[in-house]
Amino acid sequence: DTVLTQSPALAVSPGERVTISCRASESVSTLMHWYQQKPGQQPTLLIYLASNLESGVPARFSGSGSGTDFTLTIDPVEADDTATYYCQQSWNDPWTFGGGTKLELK
Amino acid sequence: EVQLVESGGGLVQPGRSLKLSCLASGFTFSNYGMNWIRQAPGKGLEWVASISSSSSYIYYADTVKGRFTISRDNAKNTLYLQMTSLRSEDTALYYCASDYDGTYYYWGQGVMVTVSS
Repeated sequence: DTVLTQSPALAVSPGERVTISCRASESVSTLMHWYQQKPGQQPTLLIYLASNLESGVPARFSGSGSGTDFTLTIDPVEADDTATYYCQQSWNDPWTFGGGTKLELK
Repeated sequence: EVQLVESGGGLVQPGRSLKLSCLASGFTFSNYGMNWIRQAPGKGLEWVASISSSSSYIYYADTVKGRFTISRDNAKNTLYLQMTSLRSEDTALYYCASDYDGTYYYWGQGVMVTVSS
C-alpha cells in the first residue's frame, strides 16, 4: 500500500503562512487530495488533484506538488483553521490517507 | 441538500456481529461509488471498504477482509456494512462517504461502534 507521511502537529500564530507537507512512499502523480477535520466533525474536502480548490473553500487555502511530495498552504491562517488536515491519494489501490497534521493556533 | 445518515452502531461484545446502515439523500445515490471509512478514538482515518455504483466492484481493507461485507440497495438509497467476528481494534467512528473523481466527496456524521466485553 502507498504510505503517506505527514508531520503530526504544527503551531502557528494567526496571520502567518503555514505549509503542511505530505510525502508518498511511491509516486501518486497528481492524484492527491486534502481534507480538513475540525474537532467533533466529519472531514471535508479542501483540495483535489493536488492543486484544485474545492468550491466554497476560501482562497487562503492552496495545494501544490506532484509525484511524491505535496504541500497544503494556508495564507494567512485564521483562528477557524484549527483542525487536523489529512492528505489522501487515489493513484494506487487501495486509496490511502496520511496520518494527519494537527494545526494549532498560538 | 446532500445528507448521509449512518445508523446501527453501539456497544457489542468481541466476536459478535453488527450491521451499519447509511441512508443517502439529496443526490443520485445510484450514480456514485460508496465507501466506509473509520476513525479509532484519537486516531486518523482508515478506509474500510468500497462498492461501485452498481455493486459490480467491491474491495476491502486487509484488516477487515473475510469479516466485513459491504452492500447497497439503490432502490432504498442505502449503504450497508455487515460486521462479524468483531474485535476490540474495530472500535471506531464509522463514516460512510461517496467517492467522486478519486476523492471522498460527501461524508456522513459517523456512527460509533464500540467492541468491548
